[in-house]
Parts: sequence; C-alpha cells; structure tokens
Amino acid sequence: DQQVKQNSPSLSVQEGRISILNCDYTNSMFDYFLWYKKYPAEGPTFLISISSIKDKNEDGRFTVFLNKSAKHLSLHIVPSQPGDSAVYFCAASSGAGSYQLTFGKGTKLSVIP
Amino acid sequence: GAVVSQHPSWVICKSGTSVKIECRSLDFQATTMFWYRQFPKQSLMLMATSNEGSKATYEQGVEKDKFLINHASLTLSTLTVTSAHPEDSSFYICSASGATEAFFGQGTRLTVV
Repeated sequence: DQQVKQNSPSLSVQEGRISILNCDYTNSMFDYFLWYKKYPAEGPTFLISISSIKDKNEDGRFTVFLNKSAKHLSLHIVPSQPGDSAVYFCAASSGAGSYQLTFGKGTKLSVIP
Repeated sequence: GAVVSQHPSWVICKSGTSVKIECRSLDFQATTMFWYRQFPKQSLMLMATSNEGSKATYEQGVEKDKFLINHASLTLSTLTVTSAHPEDSSFYICSASGATEAFFGQGTRLTVV
C-alpha cells in the first residue's frame, strides 16, 4: 500500500506560468514533508520541506502548501523556467527523531519555452 | 514499475565491526547508483555516486576508506561501513538510476552500539 502518492506521472507547463505538483499521503503519523528534484542521470537533490505545524513554506520561486485535514501537499513553482524540467519526488517522515523517508513515485515536469 | 531492493532494512552492530548494505535493481539495469545518508528530520545527504565497473565518486567530507562502495554489476551495488562507530548510526538509502529515471531503495537504519 502506497503511503505517499503522486498521482500525476507527468505535467507540462508553459514557461512563465505556475507549475503545481501534488502529493497525497495516507499515514496520519507523517509530520514532516520534503520535495526532491531530479535531473536525468543525476541523483535527487533536496528542494524544500515543511513541518506539519505549518501550512506553508516559501523559498524563492518555490512554495509548498500543506493541508493536513486533506492529507495533501503541493509544490508551486512560479514563474516556471525551462531549467525546472525534472522529476519531482514528494517524501514524508514521521515521529520525533524519525530517520525513514517514504517517497512518492515522482512527477515529471516539462516546462515548455 | 521499477523496483529497487535494499537489504537489510535495519541492522544493529557493535562498535568496531563492519556492516554491508546491498542495493539491487530488480527489473532494470542501473548504470548509476547513489548512496545517501539521512539524519533525523534532515534532507538526504549524497555520499557517493557509483557507476558500474568503475570507482565511486565521493562527496566532499565523506571518507572513502570508511564507506566502501562496490558496483560490480548493473543490478547490484554495496555500501560497506567499516569499523563502525556510534556516530555512523543513521539511515542509509540508495537510489538506482536507469536511462531516464532513478528509483529509491527502502533504506537501511544502522544503529551502532
């Protein structure tokens, strides 16, 4: 049973517009969420995170929103740039001192110039 | 979808001993594998990148003599933590990369006592 779901395997967005990547989770014990970005032939790199005590975290063009009641989070990229084209992974962890991350399957974002 | 199997999922070892962690790509050939380490509530830290048949490339600050990586085949990479100490206790996760995507293993929680 997948505890972290990214239901859209791919997304295409025009350059300059907003990209919205979604992630749903089922485990109510998750209290920390992260987004990773991955280019082809490279390892994933950390992008942005959010704790369950917040509902929004912003870093430059990237904003993550968390809706705990809906068990849903989203990553907003605005404005989208061609260099943002990559696969984005959502991950979640639970419990104080928790090590383990549970990953979604990823969403491939294509930003069209 | 592609599956990456990481074994063991958890291990407890005595200080001074060595521990081997395996990462296998089950249904695709992984030209590149990445090894990460994660501390509680923190992002994944890339330790090294290994390409099949060649020496691993270690990130700055990672001791290559302590964290031995072997990538002898396109489906198997191993990470050996040599002479483990309590400060090596962490969550280790591998990522296997095919031609266009990377997939994560389940991770290994190492506790050194």
